[in-house]
Amino acid sequence: AQKVTQAQTEISVVEKEDVTLDCVYETRDTTYYLFWYKQPPSGELVFLIRRNSFDEQNEISGRYSWNFQKSTSSFNFTITASQVVDSAVYFCALSGTNFGNEKLTFGTGTRLTIIP
Amino acid sequence: DADVTQTPRNRITKTGKRIMLECSQTKGHDRMYWYRQDPGLGLRLIYYSFDVKDINKGEISDGYSVSRQAQAKFSLSLESAIPNQTALYFCATSDLGDLVDTQYFGPGTRLTVL
Repeated sequence: AQKVTQAQTEISVVEKEDVTLDCVYETRDTTYYLFWYKQPPSGELVFLIRRNSFDEQNEISGRYSWNFQKSTSSFNFTITASQVVDSAVYFCALSGTNFGNEKLTFGTGTRLTIIP
Repeated sequence: DADVTQTPRNRITKTGKRIMLECSQTKGHDRMYWYRQDPGLGLRLIYYSFDVKDINKGEISDGYSVSRQAQAKFSLSLESAIPNQTALYFCATSDLGDLVDTQYFGPGTRLTVL
């Protein structure tokens, strides 16, 4: 069975601080994909990133960066120089690649509040 | 226009009523999904469909049914709504041709059962 744990339920930081959201996963699949989604106060779910289990290179997109470490089964998300617009609930998710096992398993989310 | 639309966006109903939530997509994706979101529980899969003739139960299908009327349309029904079905419901789609199940979500339907 697949499982995603986001132990941080809520985080608050002051604007311009850096913040890291943790994600730990469990899977028996040898090939899998990890995702991050953002849910702003308006409620929609926005896809942020997808990472293949074979690719452990860190990825950076503007102020966002992702650190994938297979050895610790973690896929952490860092926001640098946070802004108020980053306030949202962030979900980490996992999917396998075997037919029938492609469904997404979500973590319970981390609510991030950026204080002006 | 949005690629994945859901109607209605908000609905208040009473216990015992039949409710249908509709989802339409213009992305041309084969796969469609229904999730519910509850505070502190994240998103849980209700039903999913990999094509028009394929319907599968998800993690929490009891009390729900679905209909895949066309590739672009996937409806979720609550035959007899109960208060613990009060939640935010999301439809999502993904592409069968894409080996990775990257799902794209609709805006959500907020359902309240009194």
